[in-house]
Amino acid sequence: QQPVQSPQAVILREGEDAVINCSSSKALYSVHWYRQKHGEAPVFLMILLKGGEQKGHEKISASFNEKKQQSSLYLTASQLSYSGTYFCGTELGNTDKLIFGTGTRLQVFP
Amino acid sequence: DARVTQTPRHKVTEMGQEVTMRCQPILGHNTVFWYRQTMMQGLELLAYFRNRAPLDDSGMPKDRFSAEMPDATLATLKIQPSEPRDSAVYFCASGPPTGAKNIQYFGAGTRLSVL
Repeated sequence: QQPVQSPQAVILREGEDAVINCSSSKALYSVHWYRQKHGEAPVFLMILLKGGEQKGHEKISASFNEKKQQSSLYLTASQLSYSGTYFCGTELGNTDKLIFGTGTRLQVFP
Repeated sequence: DARVTQTPRHKVTEMGQEVTMRCQPILGHNTVFWYRQTMMQGLELLAYFRNRAPLDDSGMPKDRFSAEMPDATLATLKIQPSEPRDSAVYFCASGPPTGAKNIQYFGAGTRLSVL
């Protein structure tokens, strides 16, 4: 039931782009994305509701393909501050309950 | 600056001892979640409450774990007796009333080590 994220890890130079994918085996009501820096709490980035909406946050955007039960997070022109572990959280119904994915560790170097 | 407050931040205890972790949700939030994070299992939902009523505790080992909300400003997670496999970071998160699409705000966590 836990969504699967890919890749597991990404290494980037500043200014490069990355895509993180989140796949669920169940139909989704919404997908949430969080970022967690080492030793800190997860921080909310954005939420996507079913309907294929694409939301943006600074140079980070995301899409949600309801039919494929997938979401992708797009990081454009990455900055050092983007380093951390990214988690997708999937909501199966309008329940407020999230099941978090396996996580993708992103490292950005100068 | 509204934030979720968790205490203690760190706890080292011996196997068999009782552990109590506390969480103060953001004022006005009516949903509270307890998560456990380990390297192997990732971020697991243990239990969550809405308006102080437990909605789902299926992720929690019932024989040793218990979660309560004595009032709207305090949530507790207890482990009795504790075991080494309980070592993890425990996060509390709170969310505003439905309508703001369930954004969860996480506390800084309690890092538990059971020896």
